Amino acid sequence: AQKITQTQPGMFVQEKEAVTLDCTYDTSDPSYGLFWYKQPSSGEMIFLIYQGSYDQQNATEGRYSLNFQKARKSANLVISASQLGDSAMYFCAMIQRQAGTALIFGKGTTLSVSS
Amino acid sequence: DTGVSQNPRHKITKRGQNVTFRCDPISEHNRLYWYRQTLGQGPEFLTYFQNEAQLEKSRLLSDRFSAERPKGSFSTLEIQRTEQGDSAMYLCASSLGQGMMNTEAFFGQGTRLTVV
Repeated sequence: AQKITQTQPGMFVQEKEAVTLDCTYDTSDPSYGLFWYKQPSSGEMIFLIYQGSYDQQNATEGRYSLNFQKARKSANLVISASQLGDSAMYFCAMIQRQAGTALIFGKGTTLSVSS
Repeated sequence: DTGVSQNPRHKITKRGQNVTFRCDPISEHNRLYWYRQTLGQGPEFLTYFQNEAQLEKSRLLSDRFSAERPKGSFSTLEIQRTEQGDSAMYLCASSLGQGMMNTEAFFGQGTRLTVV
């Protein structure tokens, strides 16, 4: 069963606009963590933001915020004021306490920012 | 320490040959992970070490694959008798873990393997 679902294969946005990348997850483990990573064409995975299942507030890191809706099992990434350098592949990932320590990744969303 | 380092960055090999990749994690990180990523897909977990102990192995890790982390520092991933289906990006990540949860994992730039 797919644990992490990213339904948008590609998203297009203009500079300075905000964009939301969708992520839904499936787990019966009450203790889990959700991550977003950015993968530019160079290949490295860059950590962006983390949300723990017990965190009361939505996580924010600069222009990145995570819209965590626990009941809906969604963890959407919001990028405010998009920049050309934001063009990349974005992956949502989950770690489950009971299942060990390996990150499970979604299939990713390609974000293209145009001027 | 500049982050997770992987060598080589690219490897082209003939089918049937053995290949070995190296990963140097962030020095204070006790956990090290290997992932495989094929084109258009997210990374798939292969195996995980806590210090020198290999604690988890994915079903994806056939008997042609072996990983070591002999002194709890760098790690190697060897693929024997390579097949064309092994062509992928192999990513290494490290993190500082306590109990069942981690800090975020930091990834290297990967080794891209092409089997011809």
